Amino acid sequence: GAVVSQHPSWVICKSGTSVKIECRSLDFQATTMFWYRQFPKQSLMLMATSNEGSKATYEQGVEKDKFLINHASLTLSTLTVTSAHPEDSSFYICSASPSERASNEQFFGPGTRLTVL
Amino acid sequence: QKEVEQDPGPLSVPEGAIVSLNCTYSNSAFQYFMWYRQYSRKGPELLMYTYSSGNKEDGRFTAQVDKSSKYISLFIRDSQPSDSATYLCATPGGGYNKLIFGAGTRLAVHP
Repeated sequence: GAVVSQHPSWVICKSGTSVKIECRSLDFQATTMFWYRQFPKQSLMLMATSNEGSKATYEQGVEKDKFLINHASLTLSTLTVTSAHPEDSSFYICSASPSERASNEQFFGPGTRLTVL
Repeated sequence: QKEVEQDPGPLSVPEGAIVSLNCTYSNSAFQYFMWYRQYSRKGPELLMYTYSSGNKEDGRFTAQVDKSSKYISLFIRDSQPSDSATYLCATPGGGYNKLIFGAGTRLAVHP
């Protein structure tokens, strides 16, 4: 149980285009999902907290107009990187916390590797 | 001072060794602690989740929490090459269940 999927697993795009990444909780509902990015040999950096039915909360320094987050249902959150540039190339990972559990465990997706040319 | 400190390593051990991975934290209000394992180019996988002080065992893994010294540990017995990964400690002390991660320790178990 507690499986989180991401799609796509990797994507290459041209500079200036937009890319959408999906995060799904497959066997549980998640009121809250989180989006991280990770650069090589570095720890995870939280970008935003996504809440079902409401606006996402962005961490300081993260451009909300560039990284659009939509948490449309209890099992799906999407991250859209708008007008992507090479510096946006990174490993993007989502996580989700089961709504029905009192604990605050987070389960992570397998990640999406974005390369912007 | 970072809220969660973790030696990034790398740590290299021979197969079969006992591995000790450690983190310290600064805020005594932190109550829950997790250990994640992350293979290269993969998402983190939850290994252990602990709440109270003491030990929690799961197969070859033992998580230990010492709240008096604000010290958490993960022990791996009979380490295997497949244990080679980055191990991250974390605590949901960032508000709204946001996780605060350690830097991650890179472990290499060589045959």
